[in-house]
Amino acid sequence: SAVISQKPSRDICQRGTSLTIQCQVDSQVTMMFWYRQQPGQSLTLIATANQGSEATYESGFVIDKFPISRPNLTFSTLTVSNMSPEDSSIYLCSGSRGPNTGELFFGEGSRLTVL
Amino acid sequence: GNSVTQMEGPVTLSEEAFLTINCTYTATGYPSLFWYVQYPGEGLQLLLKATKADDKGSNKGFEATYRKETTSFHLEKGSVQVSDSAVYFCAPCYDKVIFGPGTSLSVIP
Repeated sequence: SAVISQKPSRDICQRGTSLTIQCQVDSQVTMMFWYRQQPGQSLTLIATANQGSEATYESGFVIDKFPISRPNLTFSTLTVSNMSPEDSSIYLCSGSRGPNTGELFFGEGSRLTVL
Repeated sequence: GNSVTQMEGPVTLSEEAFLTINCTYTATGYPSLFWYVQYPGEGLQLLLKATKADDKGSNKGFEATYRKETTSFHLEKGSVQVSDSAVYFCAPCYDKVIFGPGTSLSVIP
């Protein structure tokens, strides 16, 4: 299986601040994605991280709120900007070995609490 | 748009009981079908998959069969163990993976 590591694993942040989550994957991973899992809820895809270009965002998510970078094949960051308590969630980095395979590997997630 | 419906829990079973978690998906095209599992305190991981009609995915004693005629992919296990306690997500993949709401399973000794 592919190796995906994320940091921080958890953080507590103040309203109005921003937090950047880092994700490192191994070279088997070609596609990278960011998901959000709100408390007691399922996973929602935020965006696909594209190497060297702007991420592809899903409906309901915008670049100003969730800027994403992927400067190289194995590294991506997600920033949660101007946070509010509603942003308290687990943010998950995931990857796949090819396009649209559906077989995803996940990091352990970053649990974010906004006060 | 595409969607997935999944039996919502929580489900509580005694050890060695039979498990079924129902899952149905929208019939747009022919998605690949997946079950993911999230054990307490761990990251999400793939449990099993099926990529075409009538395929049966299996892993760790769990099985699910791709039923095109009923657009279903029900998860089954003949004898659950305490270690199977987790949240299970049905997840069809169209052009992207869509996760069901999750079913929380607790197995008691």
